[in-house]
Amino acid sequence: QLQLVESGGALVKPGGSLRLSCAASGFTFSGHYMAWIRQTPGKGPEWISYISTSGVTTLYADSVKGRFTISRDNAKNSLDLEMNSLRVEDTAVYYCARDKMVQGLFDSWGPGTLVTVSS
Amino acid sequence: DIRVTQSPTSLSASVGDRVTITCQASQDISKYLSWYQQKQGKAPKLLIYDASALETGVPSRFSASGSETDFTFTISSLQPEDVATYYCQQYDSLPYAFGQGTKLEIK
Repeated sequence: QLQLVESGGALVKPGGSLRLSCAASGFTFSGHYMAWIRQTPGKGPEWISYISTSGVTTLYADSVKGRFTISRDNAKNSLDLEMNSLRVEDTAVYYCARDKMVQGLFDSWGPGTLVTVSS
Repeated sequence: DIRVTQSPTSLSASVGDRVTITCQASQDISKYLSWYQQKQGKAPKLLIYDASALETGVPSRFSASGSETDFTFTISSLQPEDVATYYCQQYDSLPYAFGQGTKLEIK
């Protein structure tokens, strides 16, 4: 049974750092691009980053470029998001999502983890 | 960047009604549009991809059509469990963008 479970969400001060993780199971993790998507209450989801199957290719939305780093460990079936220089506007629920073999199409999502950036 | 705009932003309908939501892309995205359902407190769920292809396991009362810039999502006979917010999303080019959502309620 396919499962994605995020962890690491917390309350952090502006300028701080946080590392999110996503544990994947029930599918061939190494065969799928993976993504991080976030959502603030009452708004549509916002794609922020994705990573290729090997981890060689990574892409970011302009809103997080230079501050966030996506990575993966195919041996451990895990996906990470390192977040630095956090801003109040980064407050959101962060989801990891599996790409459906078509870049940008997300067929499975984790339940999400809440990141709150506040002083 | 390509933007997608949904309408209406909210919708109230009766059980059994036919419900339609539209999505307009700011430029030609061919067939690269998907539709998601998000129930309160849950992650989005993929319903439709490639503008009209039904994801495995999704009930056939859900359908969609369109191409280029204009797309439509339909529920043929609204059921109580369809209460949710629905989002369209373009995946023609980066950055992948979601619409602002259509909140669907039962009248």
